[in-house]
Amino acid sequence: AQKVTQAQTEISVVEKEDVTLDCVYETRDTTYYLFWYKQPPSGELVFLIRRNSFDEQNEISGRYSWNFQKSTSSFNFTITASQVVDSAVYFCALSANYGGSQGNLIFGKGTKLSVKP
Amino acid sequence: DSGVTQTPKHLITATGQRVTLRCSPRSGDLSVYWYQQSLDQGLQFLIQYYNGEERAKGNILERFSAQQFPDLHSELNLSSLELGDSALYFCASSRGNRNTEAFFGQGTRLTVV
Repeated sequence: AQKVTQAQTEISVVEKEDVTLDCVYETRDTTYYLFWYKQPPSGELVFLIRRNSFDEQNEISGRYSWNFQKSTSSFNFTITASQVVDSAVYFCALSANYGGSQGNLIFGKGTKLSVKP
Repeated sequence: DSGVTQTPKHLITATGQRVTLRCSPRSGDLSVYWYQQSLDQGLQFLIQYYNGEERAKGNILERFSAQQFPDLHSELNLSSLELGDSALYFCASSRGNRNTEAFFGQGTRLTVV
């Protein structure tokens, strides 16, 4: 079975705090991709990052960083020095062999991040 | 702006009715995916089309159907609507069929009353 678990339903921080969003995935495939999407209050889904199963290098993009660890099946997302504009629901997703295609995404339930001024 | 266009943005309709949601993918993208986002089920994959052909099916009800036209735009048809069909319906598109990042439209919020 393929599954994505985001155990944190809601997180609230004060501006400038660092915050880590957890993501744990399950798949039997050896080739798969992991994604993070952001859904701000306006509702659209914004692509943040894609990482393939063969690349365990951590990635940093500005205040965002991602830690991929195959040994623990985790793909965690850290926001450094959070800002009010980071308030959103963040989704972790897995793309593997599902429904006959490898292009479809299996989403976690999402983590709602509230950054207070 | 993701480049994926969905219309309409909002739709209110009565139970038992039929509606059509439309999606125009990003220029050059051949795959179109439909997802449903509801409070109880979260984000769920419904169906994928690739270059006009159905490629994969997820948790799509029999009352729902979709198609992708020669110009690559796609329509999702929802019929015999029930209150529980109220949700945000997203379309996404990607270049290929495999593991390429999908870019999402702004969604169509469907309310069934």
